[in-house]
Amino acid sequence: DGGITQSPKYLFRKEGQNVTLSCEQNLNHDAMYWYRQDPGQGLRLIYYSQIVNDFQKGDIAEGYSVSREKKESFPLTVTSAQKNPTAFYLCATRLGGVSYNSPLHFGNGTRLTVT
Amino acid sequence: KQEVTQIPAALSVPEGENLVLNCSFTDSAIYNLQWFRQDPGKGLTSLLLIQSSQREQTSGRLNASLDKSSGRSTLYIAASQPGDSATYLCALGSSGGSYIPTFGRGTSLIVHP
Repeated sequence: DGGITQSPKYLFRKEGQNVTLSCEQNLNHDAMYWYRQDPGQGLRLIYYSQIVNDFQKGDIAEGYSVSREKKESFPLTVTSAQKNPTAFYLCATRLGGVSYNSPLHFGNGTRLTVT
Repeated sequence: KQEVTQIPAALSVPEGENLVLNCSFTDSAIYNLQWFRQDPGKGLTSLLLIQSSQREQTSGRLNASLDKSSGRSTLYIAASQPGDSATYLCALGSSGGSYIPTFGRGTSLIVHP
């Protein structure tokens, strides 16, 4: 069953702790993206990766870090430097490469609450 | 930088109505435009993707159009049903370098029986 798996669905952390959100895909897609969604704000791009071992900052990368060591995995770490980490985090993938008209696919998201 | 606006922000209609959701954008240099549906607490589900060279796409009761010259796309939903209640988002895949989708803030739709 092909798809994108984000885990966990809900995550609770104390302020000052780093936390890592998982995104795994078996679609054989090259491109992967992390978005943050806040009420009334729409989706904002945190980081993206077009290919293994390469990634780029998005619009709101401060306080976040990523790695792309495997094609299937693109974990996002929310560090203690992120001032307002409580949000809904969405991972997306695309076939990528020269397939500019391949659609974007999303996981079911992780809701992070930091207190 | 691409800016995407969706109007209206919220919409409440009785079941059976035909309705139109709007998406406008500032930069017409795009690869494609994609419409999504999002249910509360869930990820986004792709509805339709219109390539830059296309004018419209249809899937069941949904029809999406694209007019690059005016910077507009519309999503037409025919014979709306309560199950259509969700937030609808459009995303532009801009051309020129890396493919980075830019999203609108969405239209929250309620279809009441």
